[in-house]
Amino acid sequence: QVQVVESGGGSVKPGGSLRLSCLASGFTFTDYYMAWIRQAPGKGLEWVSFIGGKDNYINYADSVKGRFTISRDNANNLVILQMNSLRAEDTAVYYCVRRAGGSGFYYYYMDVWGKGTAVTVSS
Amino acid sequence: SFVLTQPSSLSVAPGQTATIACAGENVGRESVHWYQQKPGQAPVLVVSNNGGRPSGIPERFSGSKSGNTATLTISRVAAGDEADYYCQVWDNTSDRVLFGGGTKLSVL
Repeated sequence: QVQVVESGGGSVKPGGSLRLSCLASGFTFTDYYMAWIRQAPGKGLEWVSFIGGKDNYINYADSVKGRFTISRDNANNLVILQMNSLRAEDTAVYYCVRRAGGSGFYYYYMDVWGKGTAVTVSS
Repeated sequence: SFVLTQPSSLSVAPGQTATIACAGENVGRESVHWYQQKPGQAPVLVVSNNGGRPSGIPERFSGSKSGNTATLTISRVAAGDEADYYCQVWDNTSDRVLFGGGTKLSVL
């Protein structure tokens, strides 16, 4: 079935780095934009970044620009979020999500969500 | 980019109708989508493109938009509808995804 599964979360000190992975299955990976959305404890949803399917078009939220890097490995159906210079305010559950659409067309919402991976930044 | 504003909480008696608003400067020209998130779970899409209903979502969930305010309506509210609800738009000007702050729906 269609699913995405995140991994790589954990605890890290401020200034440290962490690499999140998302393994997608059940759909033609290159047809879809993929994104990361996070949720700080007790807070709302915040978009982090997205990456295009075949064109690798990328954008970031201002809060992570210059510190986080999104990439994808289309051969292995993976989306990667490299997080550097982590801050306490990056503490959150990070969700990997699929932008709805298909081959050659896109919708403006997310239709597949992973269960999330927790990141804690604390000294 | 712009801000999406939702009420922080709403309480509704079982069987009544819940109405959650999402207001924003450019809501009128962007499609609005709604997600339901129950405690400890990932969000689930309940309304797409202002009023569309994804497969598997009950007809009790509906969406509409007027001017710069979008509305999620849940009719015949049941205890299982207790959750946080988020509106979302894709700001095509900045090409960024925006979420409202979320509304916690309590069923009395």
